[in-house]
Amino acid sequence: QTVVTQEPSFSVSPGGTVTLTCGLNSGSVSTSYYPSWYQQIPGQAPRTLIYSTNTRSSGVPDRFSGSILGNKAALTITGAQADDESDYYCLLSMGSGIWVFGGGTKLTVL
Amino acid sequence: QLQLQESGPGLVKPSETLSLTCTVSGGSISSNNYYWGWIRQPPGKGLEWIGSIYYSGGTYYNPSLKSRVTISADTSKNQFSLKLTSVTAADTAVYYCARQTRFLYYFDFWGQGSLVTVSS
Repeated sequence: QTVVTQEPSFSVSPGGTVTLTCGLNSGSVSTSYYPSWYQQIPGQAPRTLIYSTNTRSSGVPDRFSGSILGNKAALTITGAQADDESDYYCLLSMGSGIWVFGGGTKLTVL
Repeated sequence: QLQLQESGPGLVKPSETLSLTCTVSGGSISSNNYYWGWIRQPPGKGLEWIGSIYYSGGTYYNPSLKSRVTISADTSKNQFSLKLTSVTAADTAVYYCARQTRFLYYFDFWGQGSLVTVSS
């Protein structure tokens, strides 16, 4: 069974830089998985941040960036702000019409 | 601006069928460029993709739910729907409908979500 892995939690200082990752329990993530990233404030619907590895969705600040780092997809927040404190989810396209979300990372800014 | 709105019962009894409808406004579900999907989130847990449909009827389902899920589309009403059979308490969740781009596969517009509780 395919499992998409994310750090359960992460902490960053205001103004700092943090990189969240999205991996596979078996194998490497590449651009062929079309990784996308979503931000979710508890109680709200997810907001699309990044798609196709590194393309920012409309209106997303440029402090958010996506990439492939080693064998994982990555979301980097540069110059973290207090309102970046949220849950972050990645989504991978596994092929054959199957998509899998990662378990999510709870980001704390303090 | 595209909007999606989930509707349906907020309470379903165990062993019965959960039914939700997503009404789309500001755009057509008959577009060639999009799938239309359902995602759920149990309380305090992460997101789970349930399935997606192309307007002409092609469907894709999460293998872990496939035996219980049916997604259908009604282009005349600009709606798509979810049915989940034989529900248990584990199916209690906020259910989101969303638009999914057909070639880059990400979800770009989301509904606000609908909480469905499974309880007798």
